[in-house]
Amino acid sequence: DAGVTQSPTHLIKTRGQHVTLRCSPISGHKSVSWYQQVLGQGPQFIFQYYEKEERGRGNFPDRFSARQFPNYSSELNVNALLLGDSALYLCASSWDLGETQYFGPGTRLLVL
Amino acid sequence: GEDVEQSLFLSVREGDSSVINCTYTDSSSTYLYWYKQEPGAGLQLLTYIFSNMDMKQDQRLTVLLNKKDKHLSLRIADTQTGDSAIYFCAPHGSSNTGKLIFGQGTTLQVKP
Repeated sequence: DAGVTQSPTHLIKTRGQHVTLRCSPISGHKSVSWYQQVLGQGPQFIFQYYEKEERGRGNFPDRFSARQFPNYSSELNVNALLLGDSALYLCASSWDLGETQYFGPGTRLLVL
Repeated sequence: GEDVEQSLFLSVREGDSSVINCTYTDSSSTYLYWYKQEPGAGLQLLTYIFSNMDMKQDQRLTVLLNKKDKHLSLRIADTQTGDSAIYFCAPHGSSNTGKLIFGQGTTLQVKP
């Protein structure tokens, strides 16, 4: 079975631009979570979606938004990029809220 | 608030046992996870323990939980060079959400 997939794998943007990251969960999983991992740190929770509704939000500015589609895939959007947004963005899926999360390979974003 | 602390670095010889320790603050965690991250990669689920258990063994991995002291440990028996990676313990923040809480992780170096 395919695991969690994310696209693109790498991305370079400049300050002020906008970026969209995509995630496809494991088949049958209804929940998707997003995490940001800055170099040298552990992942930080950004959002969780379940059945297309936001069910949790971390301490991130409103420049960060996300959504989940009827097929349970998800997009993370970041507006007005800052240098500090450079990080590995990880998507995780679980079959239900509160269940074990399985992570994708991540999207590495570099903001210049 | 929610916090996770791990020692940053551990070095062992191939064939020895490795013990990675973790302390956390959120006593409501129902599941506590261990993830492994290799350079440039996403997070791989290693094992987990339910909060009403003291110990769980899974092949070379042994997880010990002291709920009173909020202390979690991961023992890797017969450590191999392929075990070199960053290890994260991740308590489940709350049974109502999927939020995982990560510390900085422990870098395990296995010397041949």
